[in-house]
Amino acid sequence: DQQVKQNSPSLSVQEGRISILNCDYTNSMFDYFLWYKKYPAEGPTFLISISSIKDKNEDGRFTVFLNKSAKHLSLHIVPSQPGDSAVYFCAASANEKLTFGTGTRLTIIP
Amino acid sequence: NAGVMQNPRHLVRRRGQEARLRCSPMKGHSHVYWYRQLPEEGLKFMVYLQKENIIDESGMPKERFSAEFPKEGPSILRIQQVVRGDSAAYFCASSPPNGYEQYFGPGTRLTVT
Repeated sequence: DQQVKQNSPSLSVQEGRISILNCDYTNSMFDYFLWYKKYPAEGPTFLISISSIKDKNEDGRFTVFLNKSAKHLSLHIVPSQPGDSAVYFCAASANEKLTFGTGTRLTIIP
Repeated sequence: NAGVMQNPRHLVRRRGQEARLRCSPMKGHSHVYWYRQLPEEGLKFMVYLQKENIIDESGMPKERFSAEFPKEGPSILRIQQVVRGDSAAYFCASSPPNGYEQYFGPGTRLTVT
């Protein structure tokens, strides 16, 4: 039972353009959502988070949007840079336990 | 402020041996979590601990796996009598009290031969 889904395994975006990564969830008990970036052979790096009582959170080039009625969140990166190439995981929290999606591999094309 | 530390980074064990994975949380963090990532999959929650207490172990296999976070020293994830299917990357994360964000260590890559 995949409670957090990232339906796009991969995404390629031109440098300077906007990257949009999507995530869907099924469990209404999730109260906090996070995005992590991961390079091969390293641990996930925390990027940005959002509480379930908000619909938007922005931090520099990163913005996370939450649509509770649709159980959908997205991460926008603008402008995209080559260093953004990595695997991005969304995660949802309930009772301090994170449930991860399977990740989206983002490739930024110079 | 050092991040989450894990050691060893790579561990090779033969079937039937024991594996011990260590995790030191970030300074000021009292909550520790262990996750496992199998090849081509996302991270899966295993266990959540606070000092000397297991809070949630709903993701731990019922046999051969145990975890502790003693009053002094690192958190330990112990796998007894390892099998090939235990080969994975094991990640530890920590968070401060009342904090939602979890910060991850670099992981231990366990290979069972």
